[in-house]
Amino acid sequence: ELKVEQNPLFLSMQEGKNYTIYCNYSTTSDRLYWYRQDPGKSLESLFVLLSNGAVKQEGRLMASLDTKARLSTLHITAAVHDLSATYFCAVEQGGSEKLVFGKGTKLTVNP
Amino acid sequence: DADVTQTPRNRITKTGKRIMLECSQTKGHDRMYWYRQDPGLGLRLIYYSFDVKDINKGEISDGYSVSRQAQAKFSLSLESAIPNQTALYFCATSDFRGRARPQHFGDGTRLSIL
Repeated sequence: ELKVEQNPLFLSMQEGKNYTIYCNYSTTSDRLYWYRQDPGKSLESLFVLLSNGAVKQEGRLMASLDTKARLSTLHITAAVHDLSATYFCAVEQGGSEKLVFGKGTKLTVNP
Repeated sequence: DADVTQTPRNRITKTGKRIMLECSQTKGHDRMYWYRQDPGLGLRLIYYSFDVKDINKGEISDGYSVSRQAQAKFSLSLESAIPNQTALYFCATSDFRGRARPQHFGDGTRLSIL
């Protein structure tokens, strides 16, 4: 059974600082996704990572995937308040097209 | 207009009532999914459908049923609602033809069962 663990679950950081969110998963997978959710809103797709060593960047966010370690990271560079949200990683279960989600990381960026 | 539309957006009802949540999409995707979100638990899959004739149980299907009326419509029913089904419910779609195939989510239905 695929399990997905994110840490930390809560992250409070100052504007301008850097930090990394980690996503570990328990079984082999070909696809890993990062989503953003603002309070009371839907989930927005941020990144899709499909292969070992994949790196995607959008603005101050960069996601990477190490399939051998079963680990993905979401790195935040020089955080700004607008990045405050909950971030989820989701892993596809063995080519099934079903996703297993982590519990999410609630990020708060303080001035 | 939203590509994935959920109705209603909010619903308050009483224990024992039958509830239907509806999802429609204009993306032309074959795959449709129902999730529930509870605080601190992430999203959990209730049911999914790969086409009109292919419906499958997810991780937490007990107490729920679904109907895929057409490629674009996928409904979730709670036959006899109970308070622990209070949650935020999301419908999602995906296109199996793409290699990336991210799931696209509706705006959610907030359901409260008293």
